[in-house]
Amino acid sequence: NAGVTQTPKFQVLKTGQSMTLQCAQDMNHNSMYWYRQDPGMGLRLIYYSASEGTTDKGEVPNGYNVSRLNKREFSLRLESAAPSQTSVYFCASRMGTGTSYNEQFFGPGTRLTVL
Amino acid sequence: AQSVTQLDSQVPVFEEAPVELRCNYSSSVSVYLFWYVQYPNQGLQLLLKYLSGSTLVKGINGFEAEFNKSQTSFHLRKPSVHISDTAEYFCAVMTLGNAGNMLTFGGGTRLMVKP
Repeated sequence: NAGVTQTPKFQVLKTGQSMTLQCAQDMNHNSMYWYRQDPGMGLRLIYYSASEGTTDKGEVPNGYNVSRLNKREFSLRLESAAPSQTSVYFCASRMGTGTSYNEQFFGPGTRLTVL
Repeated sequence: AQSVTQLDSQVPVFEEAPVELRCNYSSSVSVYLFWYVQYPNQGLQLLLKYLSGSTLVKGINGFEAEFNKSQTSFHLRKPSVHISDTAEYFCAVMTLGNAGNMLTFGGGTRLMVKP
């Protein structure tokens, strides 16, 4: 099993450009998450999806859109990139959808620079 | 809302010395507590967790942490570190009954083990 995979690994954008970060998991997990990681701030939740067709905002959703394409894939889109979106983006997934704890498994990250 | 404070952004230590990474949290409700490790250019990996029961929790790679409810702390310890422990460590909390299992992370502590 590959676990959680993310593409691309690195990306450089100019201000105003758009792009989509891809995430896929092969563990048959139900819930998926997008985080951003900034120095000194840890990881902050952007969006999460409890199941196909459902998405909810996290702590920092502004400037992002998401799509839960199917059970395996959860994409993050920047419509008009800004330098403040320079960050490392992590996708994660977990088996459950409710309140019971299940471990979240993280992908390797996408390092995005917006000039 | 809950928050997590990691008091040290960097901790340099010599190989085979003991180390303690500090974590304090605030929450108005009961929480689960976690430590994650991030090796260079990789995603996050769960090191250990406290859900209930014994307040002393043992994790992978010889790490342990103690939950102290009165001091709202969850410090991570290892009696003898190795060069391979060089990484960034994140403390995180999750409130009980959180439908999305959403995590709140601290800012991270970079552990630098020197020969």
